[in-house]
Amino acid sequence: AQKVTQAQTEISVVEKEDVTLDCVYETRDTTYYLFWYKQPPSGELVFLIRRNSFDEQNEISGRYSWNFQKSTSSFNFTITASQVVDSAVYFCALSEAEISYNTDKLIFGTGTRLQVFP
Amino acid sequence: EAQVTQNPRYLITVTGKKLTVTCSQNMNHEYMSWYRQDPGLGLRQIYYSMNVEVTDKGDVPEGYKVSRKEKRNFPLILESPSPNQTSLYFCASRLGQGAQPQHFGDGTRLSIL
Repeated sequence: AQKVTQAQTEISVVEKEDVTLDCVYETRDTTYYLFWYKQPPSGELVFLIRRNSFDEQNEISGRYSWNFQKSTSSFNFTITASQVVDSAVYFCALSEAEISYNTDKLIFGTGTRLQVFP
Repeated sequence: EAQVTQNPRYLITVTGKKLTVTCSQNMNHEYMSWYRQDPGLGLRQIYYSMNVEVTDKGDVPEGYKVSRKEKRNFPLILESPSPNQTSLYFCASRLGQGAQPQHFGDGTRLSIL
């Protein structure tokens, strides 16, 4: 069964702290894609990153980094030196290649609300 | 500018009064979907469309209808809205297959009284 679990419902940190958002997924497909989206207080969904199942390289983009580990079915997201503007709900999502080709389905986790205090 | 446009952004209405949420994309994407977002449930797919005149049910289609008469437009229709359809709705589009990220509209917050 396909599933995405974000066990952390809410995280609060003080500015400049590092924070890691956890994402664990379940899939039977060998080809799949993982995504992170940010939902700021204004409500829109902002695409952050896509990673395919054949590429386990970690990625860094400025203060953001992602750690993909197939062995533990995890795709964790770390914000270094957090800022108030990072306050948002963050969603991890899974797209299985075969199913998404026929259904366009993106399977979302329940989201983690990050609050960064000054 | 590449975008997915939803209207209205906010709507408060009453049970049983038909409403339509419009969605339009300017990226020539084949795939379009509607999702609803509810607290503690994340986003769930309502309907999707693979191309013009090709639509099908997602995970939570009850009480909704869609149509895809043109590639750019994918309206969501609530024929007889009920309070349990109070939610935040997102339209999304993408190009091609699973490798491409979905582009989301800014969301429509519906309140059904």
